[in-house]
Amino acid sequence: EPEVTQTPSHQVTQMGQEVILRCVPISNHLYFYWYRQILGQKVEFLVSFYNNEISEKSEIFDDQFSVERPDGSNFTLKIRSTKLEDSAMYFCASSQKGGAGELFFGEGSRLTVL
Amino acid sequence: GEDVEQSLFLSVREGDSSVINCTYTDSSSTYLYWYKQEPGAGLQLLTYIFSNMDMKQDQRLTVLLNKKDKHLSLRIADTQTGDSAIYFCAEGGATNKLIFGTGTLLAVQP
Repeated sequence: EPEVTQTPSHQVTQMGQEVILRCVPISNHLYFYWYRQILGQKVEFLVSFYNNEISEKSEIFDDQFSVERPDGSNFTLKIRSTKLEDSAMYFCASSQKGGAGELFFGEGSRLTVL
Repeated sequence: GEDVEQSLFLSVREGDSSVINCTYTDSSSTYLYWYKQEPGAGLQLLTYIFSNMDMKQDQRLTVLLNKKDKHLSLRIADTQTGDSAIYFCAEGGATNKLIFGTGTLLAVQP
């Protein structure tokens, strides 16, 4: 069964460092997303991406964050200068349709900022 | 703003039915979802219901939607130990910006 894959599964970084989290969405999907879950809190929407541009972003997704689809398969989330409060599980998701419906998530990348 | 609430914990015995409840605030929600998260794993889509439906059944899972009260429930029949996980309710509108609940930890006792 097709699935969304994410790397790395866990990354530890020092505050102020840049981090790139990678995702390979399901191959025939056109809409891509990042969500995050701070430990003990709700899963929160960060950003949606379609046709090589951001469709929607939340207040959390400030100038320190960026997304990119550098080739036909990867979808990346970059955090330019990490802060302690960026420590969270980051989930990538993809869907075939944009108007709600089946949204498939990866297993997540745990980011720990020291 | 939009909000989704769930009870935090539910304990049932193996073989019993489990009912996990959820309330939401956004009346314009188009779809309502149930996701399952096992320890250390991602979010697995279990089922979803379109907002103009009031019930959906899929094998052991039954979703009930009361749109007037903005109340969603997930019933798991014949609950097994493998059903132990955190269950998230989520609502979505015209886009796939989902609003998630806090999650309900389901503990199944043998």
